[in-house]
Formats: sequence, structure tokens, C-alpha cells
Amino acid sequence: EPEVTQTPSHQVTQMGQEVILRCVPISNHLYFYWYRQILGQKVEFLVSFYNNEISEKSEIFDDQFSVERPDGSNFTLKIRSTKLEDSAMYFCASSSAAGGGFQETQYFGPGTRLLVL
Amino acid sequence: SQKIEQNSEALNIQEGKTATLTCNYTNYSPAYLQWYRQDPGRGPVFLLLIRENEKEKRKERLKVTFDTTLKQSLFHITASQPADSATYLCALDQYSSASKIIFGSGTRLSIRP
Repeated sequence: EPEVTQTPSHQVTQMGQEVILRCVPISNHLYFYWYRQILGQKVEFLVSFYNNEISEKSEIFDDQFSVERPDGSNFTLKIRSTKLEDSAMYFCASSSAAGGGFQETQYFGPGTRLLVL
Repeated sequence: SQKIEQNSEALNIQEGKTATLTCNYTNYSPAYLQWYRQDPGRGPVFLLLIRENEKEKRKERLKVTFDTTLKQSLFHITASQPADSATYLCALDQYSSASKIIFGSGTRLSIRP
């Protein structure tokens, strides 16, 4: 069964450093998302991406964050200058456009645990 | 302000019984509502989606209801098993923005043998 994959599974970085989290969505999916989950808290929407541009973003997704689909398979989240409060699990998700329309069901990857020291 | 509330942080029930989880929302007008399962350290896994014009949806031992008047969804697991132990999340869209879904904080369900 196709699945979303994410790398790395864990990342430790120093405050102020840039990190890039990588995701490979399900191959025929056209909508891509990033979420984060701070330990013990709810899953929070960061951004959705379709047709090579951001569709929606939350208040969390400020200028320190950016997303990119650099090729036909990868979808990345970059945090330019990490802060302590960026420590969280980051989930990538994708959904299809079967029948030419937006499909609501999102398929999540296993996550990248980011720790900022 | 907008809120999604799931009935309790934790629910502990006996194997074989029906587990009922509640999701209430305030100041949203969702076109659909979804339920996901999340195991510790893992990503959410989609279970069921119900649209605003549907009252009930079933899948195997799972049943979801959606009452847009009460602004509430109920999620039932019948004949519960210890393997059903997990955190269950409800999530809904913002009507004006179908690609953005908002999650509740989840209910941690434990099924004891």
C-alpha cells in the first residue's frame, strides 16, 4: 500500500541553525501539507500546498518557514533559523485529486522529531 | 472563539464494550468531519469521514454520527479490543478553506482485557 515517507526520523539542531525536513508524498497525490505536534499537544496545521504554491497557511507558518517541491517527488519544509519552541514532531501529509476534485482524506507520514537545543 | 473539544482526555473501558467518543465544535461550519487514530510517536491514520449532509457513517466496527444542529460528532467502536487502544482525533475543515483541517486535542482510549 502506498505511503508517505519522511526523512530524517529524528533531527537535533542548534538554535539559529537552518533545518530542512523532507517528505515523499504518495505518488499520484497533488495536495501536500505540513503539520506539527508539540509533545503532549494537539496536531497543528502549518501549510497546504497545491499546484506549486501555498494554498493555506496558519499563523504559525511565519517568514521563518518555507515549503518547496523541488522535483516531482519530494516536498520539503525549511525552517530558516530554528528556535527552541520549534521542537516538535513534524508530519507531512498528502491527499489526492481523484476525479479532478479535491479529496479530503489526508495520509500522514511517520513524522520527523525535531529537537532544537 | 473557535473551539473543538473532545469529551475527555482519557477513556478506559472493558474489552467487548462499545467505546463512545465525543467531538463538539464551536463557531465552525464544517463541510465535513474526520476521525483519525494516532498511536504514540506515530502520525495520524485516517479512519472515517462524514459530510455535513450525512447523519451516520459505518466502517466495520466503527460508526460516526454528525449532528450539525448540536455541532457534535460521536465516534463509536463496538466490540472493543485491546488493539483499539490509541488516541482518537477528530478533525474538521474550515468551510471557506477545504484544504485546511483543524484537529481536536484527542481522546486517549484504553481497552482493558
